[in-house]
Formats: sequence, C-alpha cells, structure tokens
Amino acid sequence: QLQLQEAGPGLVKSSETLSLTCTVSGGSISSSSYFWGWIRQPPGKGLEWIGSMYYNGNTYNNPSLKSRVTTSVDTSKNQFSLKLSSVTAADTAVYYCVRLLTAQGVFDVWGKGTTVTVSS
Amino acid sequence: QSALTQPASVSGSPGQSITISCTGTSSDVGSYNLVSWYQQHPGNAPKLIIYEASKRPSGVSNRFSGSKSGNTASLTISGLQAEDEADYYCCSYAGSSTWVFGGGTKLTVL
Repeated sequence: QLQLQEAGPGLVKSSETLSLTCTVSGGSISSSSYFWGWIRQPPGKGLEWIGSMYYNGNTYNNPSLKSRVTTSVDTSKNQFSLKLSSVTAADTAVYYCVRLLTAQGVFDVWGKGTTVTVSS
Repeated sequence: QSALTQPASVSGSPGQSITISCTGTSSDVGSYNLVSWYQQHPGNAPKLIIYEASKRPSGVSNRFSGSKSGNTASLTISGLQAEDEADYYCCSYAGSSTWVFGGGTKLTVL
C-alpha cells in the first residue's frame, strides 16, 4: 500500500525558506498515472493547493504563491520536495504531501501532515 | 484563482439528509467534471469521498452522493450518522494543471 511521509523542520524563522521532503514508499514515484503535490491547511482554516509535479520534472504551482514556491522530484530517492521562500506568519500551517491521480483528478493518497510554524 | 464558495456550516439530525453546495466559476467547476469532495475529521488528513462530481470510491458509503449543475457542485449525505460530523471540502480542476479548493463546510450532527 502506497504511503507518503513528510519530513522537515517544524519551526522556520520569518523571511527564511521553508523546506519539506516527502518520501514515497510502497510504490514508484515514476508512474505515469500520477502527479505528486503539496497542500496546506493553516490553523482552523481550509485547504490550499500549493503545487503539483510530475516525475519528469514538470511542475505546476498555485499562481498566488508561484514566485515563492519551488517544487522538485528526485526519482533516485523516490522523493519530492517543496521550498517556500520569504515565509511569514501566514505560512504557518499543516503541510500535506499528496498523490494526484491524474485521470480522475483526485488527491487519493495523503501523508499524515507536518506542522510548520513560522516564528518572528 | 479564487477559492470555491461553500457554506461555513450546515447541520442536521440523525437520519436526515443534508446538502452542501460548492460554487465556482466557468473557469473551474463550470468547465470540468473533475470535482471531488473530501471529508476531514479533526486531527486527521482529508479523505476522498466523491470524485468526478458524482462517483464514489470503493469503500465509501452509498449515503454519500454528488452532483453538478453549471458552476455549482453539491454533496448530499443521506441518513445522517454521528460519525458524519466533520469538515467537508470540495475541489475542482481550474485548468493549466492547477487546482482550487472550497473554503470548507463544518457539518454538525445534532
């Protein structure tokens, strides 16, 4: 059964860069049927799609975050990553890594989520 | 890219039916059938309950159903049970490989 696990610092200073990695286990990140992505949820608020990427390196990001977001895939490690620059308190959230089943347009597998707090 | 519009909260008694709406635009919900719904219990990751506007994944109760008309998608839960109390989110494809979520709806089972 495919599983996703987020990893990264739980505390990031304001104006610095948030970096998270998601490790895929129980399946290959190189499958042509899926994209891989990041979704976040600020405390007490709703879900926000951050970005998605394909195993070949193609990436697509939320226009509202585009200039601050960098996403990448490392097929050799079966991992994908997120970098969010110039963070502020508004970036404090639970960050989920997800699998996107392309044909049906669903986020069908989710990691447990990791809480990232931006401190001043 | 603006969030899809959902009611902040809905409520119903056990056994009743409720419907949650999800309103988008002609650039997202109105243009694609790729609307999905997710259920989230406190402290847990969201769980897929409806995809392609009206299809149920294997293992999801048939008390959950979805529909779409124009720019609005809807989730109906029939025969409400206490375990249905959760937050519900819609999500739509918005073109150019981008996705947009609704603001979420808190369902209270009275």
